[in-house]
Order: sequence, then structure tokens, then C-alpha cells
Amino acid sequence: SQQGEEDPQALSIQEGENATMNCSYKTSINNLQWYRQNSGRGLVHLILIRSNEREKHSGRLRVTLDTSKKSSSLLITASRAADTASYFCATEQQETSGSRLTFGEGTQLTVNP
Amino acid sequence: EPEVTQTPSHQVTQMGQEVILRCVPISNHLYFYWYRQILGQKVEFLVSFYNNEISEKSEIFDDQFSVERPDGSNFTLKIRSTKLEDSAMYFCASKATDVREKLFFGSGTQLSVL
Repeated sequence: SQQGEEDPQALSIQEGENATMNCSYKTSINNLQWYRQNSGRGLVHLILIRSNEREKHSGRLRVTLDTSKKSSSLLITASRAADTASYFCATEQQETSGSRLTFGEGTQLTVNP
Repeated sequence: EPEVTQTPSHQVTQMGQEVILRCVPISNHLYFYWYRQILGQKVEFLVSFYNNEISEKSEIFDDQFSVERPDGSNFTLKIRSTKLEDSAMYFCASKATDVREKLFFGSGTQLSVL
């Protein structure tokens, strides 16, 4: 499998429910970031978690990072229809010189009103 | 919040033609990037740029691609002779320092090669 793989590929929930998306990666990282993309639009940065952090919160978002398992999860609580989008994790690997990000395949989240 | 600006939002070109995609990074940022996303696929790194030179490039960024920061504000990606497979959304991004911080992405240029 590739660096930055998310699961599930698609997730459909009802408004008000929580959505959990997972990301796995293979190499050592400096940080892991989550981005959101509405259909055909740009990437919006949601949250960054550093390799020495285990959990981070931002509003309705909660991100965890387990470097021993090389995995991260993004939890969106009390989802809204406006949260419908694709969500990508991206890792900044330790061995790169230009701070490049490696993106995962993404999870398409649909929140039904 | 400051924004990275990309123009045009859509570009249609014929195979073999040269295209230049333009970006205005955030004004005090020092690190600049191009990424692309082929329809239905993941976002891929193309190139990073710092201090007027390329700091890293991917295997996608072959001799057909070049980047330039001609005037201290614009950051351009040139594709010399476009191919059908160059059709993608191209994203410019910038960040202030090399401290491991977030990238600010532009809204992208959708390039269609016919």
C-alpha cells in the first residue's frame, strides 16, 4: 500500500452523527496534516499534528496520531450537511529536503440532511 | 486570512502547445510549491522552490516542466509541450518558513489538454 492511505474510501452518514476517517502511512514523518476539498475546488487546511503529538482538537475536529502504528484518525463530531467533501491526509516525511507533502487517496464524506 | 491566488481558473489548450500557469503566493512567504491532481486521483507533489531555485522535484516534473519567480511576487509553472495526460488540476502552495508548518493552497487551475 502507499504512503497516506485513507479508509474508508467513502462514508455516508446522517447529519448530527460523528464521522471518523483513518489514515495510514509508511515512513517516518515530521507531521501529518488533514485537508478538505469540496468537489472541484481547492484544498483547505484543517489541522496539523506533529510527530511528537498524540491528539489535537480544533472546533468539531479531533485528530489522533499513533506513530508506533503509523496511523492517524480524523473525527468530525456533530456533522453537518456542509461537511460533505473529500478529506485527505498528507504526510511530511523526514527524509525530504523541500518539505513536500505526500497525500493519501482521500475519503469522500457525504452528510445527509 | 491571506490567500494564494492562481490564474486562470480554467485553461484549455491543444496538445503540443505551451502553457503557463500563474500563482501569486502570500507576500511574506518564502517556500513555494506546485502540486497536481488528475481527476479522481490523489494530489501529487511536483516541485518545491526556495531562494530562487528548485529545492526538490518529483519524477513527474520532467524536462517539459519549469518554474520561475520572475518578479518577486509571481510564481509560474510552464509546461513546454503539453500532452493529453497533463490534463489535471494544478495547485500552487506557499508557506512562510521551513519550520514544519502548514501549506496555504490556491484554488487551482484546471488544465484541459485536447
